[in-house]
Amino acid sequence: EAGVTQSPTHLIKTRGQQVTLRCSPISGHTSVYWYQQALGLGLQFLLWYDEGEERNRGNFPPRFSGRQFPNYSSELNVNALELEDSALYLCASSLYRQGGNQPQHFGDGTRLSIL
Amino acid sequence: GNSVTQMEGPVTLSEEAFLTINCTYTATGYPSLFWYVQYPGEGLQLLLKATKADDKGSNKGFEATYRKETTSFHLEKGSVQVSDSAVYFCALQTDKLIFGTGTRLQVFP
Repeated sequence: EAGVTQSPTHLIKTRGQQVTLRCSPISGHTSVYWYQQALGLGLQFLLWYDEGEERNRGNFPPRFSGRQFPNYSSELNVNALELEDSALYLCASSLYRQGGNQPQHFGDGTRLSIL
Repeated sequence: GNSVTQMEGPVTLSEEAFLTINCTYTATGYPSLFWYVQYPGEGLQLLLKATKADDKGSNKGFEATYRKETTSFHLEKGSVQVSDSAVYFCALQTDKLIFGTGTRLQVFP
């Protein structure tokens, strides 16, 4: 069974640019989550999508946005990039059952460097 | 709010030593608890989980017991190997995963 796949693996951008990161969940998983792992700040929850809808959002500015497609894959968009956006962006997927806590399975991440 | 506190690292051990990484949590309701491991240059892998009080999660020789009375989920392994060197994250899940800061484990031959 293929795991969560993310692309690209590495990306270098400059301040003010825009970036799109992509994630394909495990087959059968309907929920996709995005996390930011910045140096010294640990793992911070960004966004949760399920069945094409945004279900929850972490404490990030609106220039972080995303969407989920009918095939459950997802994109994370970051506009007006800032130096502090340099981080490893991790995507995870899970089954979603109302009231249940299904384990999340992670991809290997996209490392974004802002120059 | 919900939170997870892990012991500071790095934890440095010799091969075959006993490992404990402490994790305590604060949560309303009854969260599920997880340990994830991150090897260098990789994403997170689910190591083990427990969904209710007194559950014991185990995998690859690692164990952790969901202790509601002490709000703890300490990770243990009886005999570590060099290949266990990684960063370990404790996490609780309600509507989203909340991670501890991670504990780096270094095992030397």
